Amino acid sequence: AQSVTQLGSHVSVSEGALVLLRCNYSSSVPPYLFWYVQYPNQGLQLLLKYTTGATLVKGINGFEAEFKKSETSFHLTKPSAHMSDAAEYFCAVSDQGGDMRFGAGTRLTVKP
Amino acid sequence: SQTIHQWPATLVQPVGSPLSLECTVEGTSNPNLYWYRQAAGRGLQLLFYSVGIGQISSEVPQNLSASRPQDRQFILSSKKLLLSDSGFYLCAQGLAGGSITGELFFGEGSRLTVL
Repeated sequence: AQSVTQLGSHVSVSEGALVLLRCNYSSSVPPYLFWYVQYPNQGLQLLLKYTTGATLVKGINGFEAEFKKSETSFHLTKPSAHMSDAAEYFCAVSDQGGDMRFGAGTRLTVKP
Repeated sequence: SQTIHQWPATLVQPVGSPLSLECTVEGTSNPNLYWYRQAAGRGLQLLFYSVGIGQISSEVPQNLSASRPQDRQFILSSKKLLLSDSGFYLCAQGLAGGSITGELFFGEGSRLTVL
């Protein structure tokens, strides 16, 4: 069975600062990895995904993530935070058959 | 593209009352459908998933049930709500068979408060 652990339930950064949200996964098969964003009282929106190929994945809104098999990690980064990035972010892993498991989420706060 | 409608968006119900949350999807036929619950301060818990009409798998024993009467309709129900059933319920759609990429598409959610 697969699972993900998100390190840090809350992350606070200043506007313009680097955003780093951490995710480690566990999977018995080559994983598909995802980052989703959730704004208040809304559903989840896909930011980016890794399936196969290039390990550095670029997503929407300037976010990117790097799949590191040796570290079983899939951390999400953005060089410069915007106020509009304040939201909850979820890392997820899939076993390629549609069984997706989510981390507990990281709430990102952006300070002016 | 996948469009997912959830109804109602918000609901306040007394303990012991019944529940029915509806999810309808557009786009691909024979989708995999999922119900997740998001409780305050917690991540997403998979409640039910369905790979076809009348086919429901439950992840955890609970006070809830699900049904799939039509290909693109997924219903979450309860006969008697508990306080612990409060939360944000999300319906999600995946392509049949999980698809190559395995991503899920989410509805806007239904917020249930049980008093």
